[in-house]
Amino acid sequence: AQRVTQPEKLLSVFKGAPVELKCNYSYSGSPELFWYVQYSRQRLQLLLRHISRESIKGFTADLNKGETSFHLKKPFAQEEDSAMYYCVLGGTGRRALTFGSGTRLQVQP
Amino acid sequence: EAGVTQSPTHLIKTRGQQATLRCSPISGHTSVYWYQQALGLGLQFLLWYDEGEERNRGNFPPRFSGRQFPNYSSELNVNALELEDSALYLCASSQFDQPQHFGDGTRLSIL
Repeated sequence: AQRVTQPEKLLSVFKGAPVELKCNYSYSGSPELFWYVQYSRQRLQLLLRHISRESIKGFTADLNKGETSFHLKKPFAQEEDSAMYYCVLGGTGRRALTFGSGTRLQVQP
Repeated sequence: EAGVTQSPTHLIKTRGQQATLRCSPISGHTSVYWYQQALGLGLQFLLWYDEGEERNRGNFPPRFSGRQFPNYSSELNVNALELEDSALYLCASSQFDQPQHFGDGTRLSIL
């Protein structure tokens, strides 16, 4: 069965501090992983897709198949990064996304 | 481009009634997905429609059903409503296996 674990419900950091949002997954096949973000009063939107390997808004995430992890990182947090972040697993070909429970990131001034 | 649109924004029903939720995908997207976000349960996959056909279904009872129209818009129907059906229902669309784009959701409240 597919499962995504985000161990932190809330992560509070100060502006300029590094950020790491943790995500671990369980999937027997070849996973496709995403980070989606929901800013206040906005809809859920795609932040990163693991196969694109690009940095969006300063965020990066590396898929570690050995540790079954896909942690989201940013070296210097900004106040506008405050949002709800979801780690999401897509099983190849089945299109049904499995969401983690989400981590709320608060960046304090 | 216009995003995924859902209607209504909020729907209030009583137990035993039926609810119909609507979704219009992004132009050019042929796949539509439905998710439920119930309090304390997180976002769960409900249904996937592509080219008018149901392609995949989550672990939900048969009273959750839907359809996709020739213009790719979709309806989600929930029959015999129960209190635990109270949730935010999100619709998403995609082109082929590209990332899914989400709407704002319909909040269904069961009294």
